Amino acid sequence: GENVEQHPSTLSVQEGDSAVIKCTYSDSASNYFPWYKQELGKRPQLIIDIRSNVGEKKDQRIAVTLNKTAKHFSLHITETQPEDSAVYFCAASRQTSYDKVIFGPGTSLSVIP
Amino acid sequence: DSGVTQTPKHLITATGQRVTLRCSPRSGDLSVYWYQQSLDQGLQFLIQYYNGEERAKGNILERFSAQQFPDLHSELNLSSLELGDSALYFCASSVGQGSDSPLHFGNGTRLTVT
Repeated sequence: GENVEQHPSTLSVQEGDSAVIKCTYSDSASNYFPWYKQELGKRPQLIIDIRSNVGEKKDQRIAVTLNKTAKHFSLHITETQPEDSAVYFCAASRQTSYDKVIFGPGTSLSVIP
Repeated sequence: DSGVTQTPKHLITATGQRVTLRCSPRSGDLSVYWYQQSLDQGLQFLIQYYNGEERAKGNILERFSAQQFPDLHSELNLSSLELGDSALYFCASSVGQGSDSPLHFGNGTRLTVT
């Protein structure tokens, strides 16, 4: 079945710096890659997603890149702010009716003011 | 507010007992997913339903079962509870049948087994 790895497990950056989180997936048939942010004590929320027909997608300070050949995708956060501190989860799934959305183990991001 | 309602918010019970967690999806969403999140752990997929039918299964224990009812709400039943079952249980819903629709998570049910 699908396996999603995520690195690093923890990340500390100074406010204003960039943060990059990387994920790899095992199932070459996966074609949908969402990212979720979970603040302490709260529910995960989708922040951005990308499909396999696109190599990069941006939304203000966040961007996601996808390398299908290498089977990895990355989240980039620029000009980090303290409110970006959270756990970030990547996920991968197939665009079919009978597939599960498998999450990576998460990255705890701390933005130091 | 995601529109996904989970009850109860907190549940404290003893080992060996049985509990039922309830989830009401967002209006219009037909798919319901259940995830388990242990302390400082990731989101472990348990099971998915679409319009009342089971669609995908993760590493769900045999002591756990779930169903989705005609009104689309879902229940997760946990029996013969063990200390290790203590976790935050999330329900999520999505609009489509496929797994390429964003998931909308509820606020979770925190289960404590003593």
